[in-house]
Amino acid sequence: QQQVKQSPQSLIVQKGGISIINCAYENTAFDYFPWYQQFPGKGPALLIAIRPDVSEKKEGRFTISFNKSAKQFSLHIMDSQPGDSATYFCAGVTGNTGKLIFGQGTTLQVKP
Amino acid sequence: NAGVMQNPRHLVRRRGQEARLRCSPMKGHSHVYWYRQLPEEGLKFMVYLQKENIIDESGMPKERFSAEFPKEGPSILRIQQVVRGDSAAYFCASSPLPGTSGYGAGELFFGEGSRLTVL
Repeated sequence: QQQVKQSPQSLIVQKGGISIINCAYENTAFDYFPWYQQFPGKGPALLIAIRPDVSEKKEGRFTISFNKSAKQFSLHIMDSQPGDSATYFCAGVTGNTGKLIFGQGTTLQVKP
Repeated sequence: NAGVMQNPRHLVRRRGQEARLRCSPMKGHSHVYWYRQLPEEGLKFMVYLQKENIIDESGMPKERFSAEFPKEGPSILRIQQVVRGDSAAYFCASSPLPGTSGYGAGELFFGEGSRLTVL
């Protein structure tokens, strides 16, 4: 019940294309869904986040779409750039715990 | 404002030795979390600490692993009698008091990690 399932495991996109990463969760107690970006050899950094009472959140080229009834959410990266090449993790968290349940991660490669 | 500082960045131990990983949270942050990232896997929660208190250790292995966050000094993750399966990247994260200053519960600030290799 704690799981967050993420797909695809890896993704290759041409520069300027749209990258889409999907996540599904089981725990309906999750009340915050952040996405983290991790570059090789670095720690994860918060990219964008959404609460379940919102269906979409956009920050620059990054958009989260959230479907509460389906218990699914996705990250869209518009106009993907080589600098976006990284591993992306979705997560769910309940309350003020900081106990993130992460998906397995998606390694994105944006080809020039 | 310095970020979350972890050291050592790389640590090599032989089986049976002890590993100590240190984490200094961001200034003003009173909550520390440890996560483990095994090769080709995602991050797994290990433990959540406040100063002098362990709040949630549900992700910690029952044996050989311990964590502390003393009143003074960094948080320490200690692994006794290491085995090859302990080889991983260990990340520390910190946050201010959840719910304040506009921070959501999932907004953690991660360090760059300590990579443990057990020979």
